[in-house]
Amino acid sequence: ILNVEQSPQSLHVQEGDSTNFTCSFPSSNFYALHWYRWETAKSPEALFVMTLNGDEKKKGRISATLNTKEGYSYLYIKGSQPEDSATYLCAVLSGGYNKLIFGAGTRLAVHP
Amino acid sequence: ETGVTQSPTHLIKTRGQQVTLRCSSQSGHNTVSWYQQALGQGPQFIFQYYREEENGRGNFPPRFSGLQFPNYSSELNVNALELDDSALYLCASSPREPSGVAKNIQYFGAGTRLSVL
Repeated sequence: ILNVEQSPQSLHVQEGDSTNFTCSFPSSNFYALHWYRWETAKSPEALFVMTLNGDEKKKGRISATLNTKEGYSYLYIKGSQPEDSATYLCAVLSGGYNKLIFGAGTRLAVHP
Repeated sequence: ETGVTQSPTHLIKTRGQQVTLRCSSQSGHNTVSWYQQALGQGPQFIFQYYREEENGRGNFPPRFSGLQFPNYSSELNVNALELDDSALYLCASSPREPSGVAKNIQYFGAGTRLSVL
C-alpha cells in the first residue's frame, strides 16, 4: 500500500520567516506528485504538479522540489505572510493507477 | 474559484440511512474523483469515474457507489450509513490525458460535511 507522509504535522512561524516542509513517498512506481493548499472552509487549491526527478517549480514566494530517486519533495515558502496560513497537502499518483494518495498535510499558521 | 460545486454543504443523517451527495464538475472535465476526509487525515480516494464508468476504486465497501452523468455531473451514494462515515466528502474534476492517466491538476469542490448520528 502506497504511503505518503508529511512532516511536520503543524508549524507556527512569525510573519517574514521562511519555512519548508517535507513530503515522503515510496520511490517505486512513481508517476506524479501534487501539492495543494487548503484554506479553512475553502476548496483545496492546486499549487504544483511535478513528474520528473529534479523538477523545481515556483509560484510567487512558494517553490517546490522533487527527488523521485529518494522519494521526497520539499515545499518552501519565502517570507511567510498571514495569508499563507493553510494546510498544505501533497499527493502522489502511482503508475498504473488513476488515484491520488494524499498525505495527512502540514498545517501552517503564520502569526503577524 | 475552481468551478466545481458540491451540494449540500452540510448533512445530518442517522445510522442505517442512505445519502446522496452531488458534484458539478468544471466545464470540459470528463473525469471526477471522490474522496473522504476523516478528522486528522488526508483525503482518502473512494473512486473515480471517466465517461460515466467507474475507473478505479479505493479501499471502500460496495455500499459506497457512484454515478457520472453525460453532462459530467456526478453523485456519491452511501447506503446503510455507519457512524464512521461521518467525514468531509470532496469531489474533484480533471481533464483526462490521451495517455489515459489523469495526472493533471485536480479541481476540488469545497466538500459536503456528513454527520452520522
